[in-house]
Amino acid sequence: NAGVTQTPKFQVLKTGQSMTLQCAQDMNHNSMYWYRQDPGMGLRLIYYSASEGTTDKGEVPNGYNVSRLNKREFSLRLESAAPSQTSVYFCASRTIVNEQFFGPGTRLTVL
Amino acid sequence: EDKVVQSPLSLVVHEGDTVTLNCSYEVTNFRSLLWYKQEKKAPTFLFMLTSSGIEKKSGRLSSILDKKELFSILNITATQTGDSAVYLCAASFQGAQKLVFGQGTRLTINP
Repeated sequence: NAGVTQTPKFQVLKTGQSMTLQCAQDMNHNSMYWYRQDPGMGLRLIYYSASEGTTDKGEVPNGYNVSRLNKREFSLRLESAAPSQTSVYFCASRTIVNEQFFGPGTRLTVL
Repeated sequence: EDKVVQSPLSLVVHEGDTVTLNCSYEVTNFRSLLWYKQEKKAPTFLFMLTSSGIEKKSGRLSSILDKKELFSILNITATQTGDSAVYLCAASFQGAQKLVFGQGTRLTINP
């Protein structure tokens, strides 16, 4: 089992560019999550998907969109990147007892 | 607004010391409290606590939840340099899929 995988690991964008962060899990979990982590702020939830075909906003959804492509895959899109979106992004999936497993993260810099 | 607060934000101790990390929460429809350890990359799961007063242990780490006073502590005894990490706590909710994280405590163990 690979667990939760994310691509890319690093990305540098210019302001206004768009990109999609990819996430996949092979644990057959229904729920998947996107977080961002900034220094001193812990993990903040951007969007989550309780099951295939559903998505919901978290604490900080502005500037992002998501797609739950199938049970395995949950992508995060930045349509027009801004410097305030410079962060480390983590994808996670959840067991039925609410334990979350995290991917390795994507370090994004927006210039 | 749901809130999870950790203290201290940073802690530096010598190898062999015992440390106590604190996590308080104010959330509606609380279900459980989770602890994670984050070294260089993704958070890894340590404990999930649902009931008050029942200590969970794993080696030198232990944790307990007080649902009346709305806090949890994570104890690490006989600390080692490998315990250096950011420790995150998070609250989960009844009937909702998300977690709300605290800011994290950065623990540094000096030899």
